[in-house]
Amino acid sequence: EDQVTQSPEALRLQEGESSSLNCSYTVSGLRGLFWYRQDPGKGPEFLFTLYSAGEEKEKERLKATLTKKESFLHITAPKPEDSATYLCAVLNQAGTALIFGKGTTLSVSS
Amino acid sequence: DAGITQSPRHKVTETGTPVTLRCHQTENHRYMYWYRQDPGHGLRLIHYSYGVKDTDKGEVSDGYSVSRSKTEDFLLTLESATSSQTSVYFCAISRGLSSYNSPLHFGNGTRLTVT
Repeated sequence: EDQVTQSPEALRLQEGESSSLNCSYTVSGLRGLFWYRQDPGKGPEFLFTLYSAGEEKEKERLKATLTKKESFLHITAPKPEDSATYLCAVLNQAGTALIFGKGTTLSVSS
Repeated sequence: DAGITQSPRHKVTETGTPVTLRCHQTENHRYMYWYRQDPGHGLRLIHYSYGVKDTDKGEVSDGYSVSRSKTEDFLLTLESATSSQTSVYFCAISRGLSSYNSPLHFGNGTRLTVT
């Protein structure tokens, strides 16, 4: 069964305190792993897609990496505006839909 | 918002009444999806469409039906609403998830409360 598990559920950081979010997955033949950001009351906003182990993508203070069993979203020197829920998803085996994890809620205080 | 409009944005309805949610896109994407988001469950797929009049079930399709008569519109109907269908419903679109660099783009959701 295709499955995505994210940890931790919640993370509190001080401004400038770097950390990482984890996304572990089980799917036969990974065809794409997706990271989204969701602000309260809004729909998820696309951040990155990773396709193969060793691949990395960066956007401002965020960097996503991928191994054969998990992905990490590294947040370097976060700011309060990085506070949001970060969602990880994988393309299902049939290639027809995304399977989402429950998300990590990040709070960054100044 | 990738040209996606969901309506209504908020709705309160009574148990047993039919409810239809609408998703309208201006991107001419082939694929459209309905997800629901609940605390402790994350986003779960209800139904999706891969073309006009072509739809398929997702993980939590019981109690829901969909229709797509035009490329730009995807309707989600709760035939007889129940309290367990209280949720936030998101519509999403894609050119094709199996295509390189073609992710899902989401609307801003409809908050449905069934009393």
